[in-house]
Amino acid sequence: QITLKESAPTQVKPTQTLTLTCSFSGFSLRTNGVSVGWIRQPPAKALEWLALIHWNDDEDFSPSLKSRLTVAKDTSRNRAVLTMTNMDPADTATYYCVKTVRDYDPLTSYYPIYFEYWGQGILITVSS
Amino acid sequence: DIQMTQSPASLSASVGDRVTITCRASQDISNYLSWYQQKPGKAPKLLMYGASKLQRGVPSRFSGSGSGTDFTLIISSLQPEDFATYFCQQSYGTPPWTFGQGTRVEIK
Repeated sequence: QITLKESAPTQVKPTQTLTLTCSFSGFSLRTNGVSVGWIRQPPAKALEWLALIHWNDDEDFSPSLKSRLTVAKDTSRNRAVLTMTNMDPADTATYYCVKTVRDYDPLTSYYPIYFEYWGQGILITVSS
Repeated sequence: DIQMTQSPASLSASVGDRVTITCRASQDISNYLSWYQQKPGKAPKLLMYGASKLQRGVPSRFSGSGSGTDFTLIISSLQPEDFATYFCQQSYGTPPWTFGQGTRVEIK
């Protein structure tokens, strides 16, 4: 059974750095093709993809947030960590940790990524 | 970035109705599109991927179609547990992978 769970301080002050940990079970980030990522959702708004870390240590970031994000993985402890610097009230949102699934298109040899498993989410409020 | 536009933003329907939700991409994304269902206070759930492939465990009353820029999610006979918000998401090329703004399905 695959599970993911986010942990972080739920209240952060403006300009502080958020460290968001994703603890998961039922899979390994050492396995070829496995990726873990983060998606956020401001209250009553749409979903926004933030970042991915892949089994091979590759990383992907939302271009609009790239300068503020770092990711890391601890495969021995089945954890992945997202760090977001210079937090702002506009960053108030529910943050989800996700595990991807890769489909395969034989016509293009492309592996599109979809978000198959989600954590329960954690609401992070940025306020002074 | 590829923009995803869903319509309608919300709809009211009755149990047993056929419901259609559309999603339009700002450029050709082939069939690299997925649909998610989100209930209040819960994480989204993957329903469809590759535009028309049903995620395991999802009821067959859900179906998806489309390619290029125009996509559709159909619920053939709406059930009480289907009242939720639905999001589309594109997975074309390089990041960022973007979502539509959502379609809320409400009880009439």
